[in-house]
Amino acid sequence: GNSVTQMEGPVTLSEEAFLTINCTYTATGYPSLFWYVQYPGEGLQLLLKATKADDKGSNKGFEATYRKETTSFHLEKGSVQVSDSAVYFCALSDSGNTPLVFGKGTRLSVIA
Amino acid sequence: GAVVSQHPSWVICKSGTSVKIECRSLDFQATTMFWYRQFPKQSLMLMATSNEGSKATYEQGVEKDKFLINHASLTLSTLTVTSAHPEDSSFYICSARDRRESGELFFGEGSRLTVL
Repeated sequence: GNSVTQMEGPVTLSEEAFLTINCTYTATGYPSLFWYVQYPGEGLQLLLKATKADDKGSNKGFEATYRKETTSFHLEKGSVQVSDSAVYFCALSDSGNTPLVFGKGTRLSVIA
Repeated sequence: GAVVSQHPSWVICKSGTSVKIECRSLDFQATTMFWYRQFPKQSLMLMATSNEGSKATYEQGVEKDKFLINHASLTLSTLTVTSAHPEDSSFYICSARDRRESGELFFGEGSRLTVL
């Protein structure tokens, strides 16, 4: 079945540091890939997505590239801020009406 | 963008009572909604898939008589936690797929249930 594996946290970085959160997936076919963010006490928000190989999703300075050859969708940001502190979830979705499959989430803490 | 609203966002109840959580898609029709449960510091666990006009499909290990799901219209699904107990305390999140947006799910804000 489909699955998503992302690096375990927590990840603690200083402000303006470079961020990478690794995500790899297993899927049949060609899934769409997503990164969701959950700020403290809130629900999930879509951060970015990519629907086909080599697509790059980007938003709020975050980027992730759909790499079919390595089945990866790593999240990166060049300079993190304290306000980026949150839990980040990598997810995939097959076509059709299937639910998202989530990774376990990575908690990021950015300190000033 | 599409918005999914959950209500209530916080609820505290006594053990043995039932609690209903509503999930509404505000500006789109959702033939399918999903209910997730999130334990502290853990990922989301899919509980059930709710299809409009039909019975919900529950994931293995989720008690359908405990967690009643009703999807009465294209914009509303409800989750009722029956005879709640402290171990049911959790963060419940619904999501809905906009038929116009292939693959993307929109999430509600979540409902935190505390059972005393």
